Amino acid sequence: QVQLQESGPGLAKPSVTLSLTCSVSGDTLTGYHWSWIRQPAGKGLEWIGRIYPTGRTTYNPSLGSRVFMSIDTSKNHFSLNLSSVTAADTAVYYCARDLGSPLRGPGQFDYWGQGTRVTVSS
Amino acid sequence: DIVMTQSPDSLAVSLGERATINCKSSQNVFHSSHNKNYLAWYQQKAGQPPKLLISWASTRESGVPDRFSGRGSGTDFALTISTLQAEDVAVYYCQQYFTSPSTFGGGTKVEIK
Repeated sequence: QVQLQESGPGLAKPSVTLSLTCSVSGDTLTGYHWSWIRQPAGKGLEWIGRIYPTGRTTYNPSLGSRVFMSIDTSKNHFSLNLSSVTAADTAVYYCARDLGSPLRGPGQFDYWGQGTRVTVSS
Repeated sequence: DIVMTQSPDSLAVSLGERATINCKSSQNVFHSSHNKNYLAWYQQKAGQPPKLLISWASTRESGVPDRFSGRGSGTDFALTISTLQAEDVAVYYCQQYFTSPSTFGGGTKVEIK
C-alpha cells in the first residue's frame, strides 16, 4: 500500500519561499510522476505541478516562475518550493501519485497524502 | 486552460435514492486515437484528501462500490450514485487530464435530505 506524507511549516510569512516535502512509503518513486495539488479552505482543487524520478518537471503556468520541484529517489521523497508567497497561497497542500504519461501531462491521482495546512500571514 | 463546470453546487437526496452530478468541460476531452475520455471523478469527505472513484469517465477504481457509475463523452459527463448511503455524504469533483494543466470542477456537495 503506497502512503504519502507531507511535511512543512504550518505558517509562512509573506514574500518568503515555502518549502514542503512529501515522503513516500510502500513503493519507490520509480515509474510514476508525483504531483502537488492545493486546496484553499472551503474551495476547490488546483494542480500545482509534477515531477518524474529523472527530475523532469511540469508546472501549472498560473503560478508562473514561483514553483520549483525536486526529487530525491535515494530518500524516496520529493519537494515543492513556492517563492514570494502571499495570503493567496494559504491552503492545504497535498502530494499525490500521478498516473499521467510523460508525453501527455498530468493524469489522474490515485494515492494522496493527508495534506499539510499552510497559512501565509505576517 | 480547460474549464470544468459542475452542477449543481449542492444537492440533498434521501437515503436509498439516486443522486446525479453533472460536469461539463469547455473543450473536448475525448482522445479519438485512444478512444478514451480523459475524465476522472473524486470523492472528498470532510477533513480527508480526495479519493479517486472513476477514471476514463466510466471505469471504477478497485474497491469502489458499484452504486457509483460514470457516463458521458466529449464535453458532458455525469456521476450517478444509484442508491445513496449515509457514507456517501461528501464533495465530489471532476477532473480533466486531457491536457496540461489538469483542472478540476468546483465541486458538488452531496447531503442527506
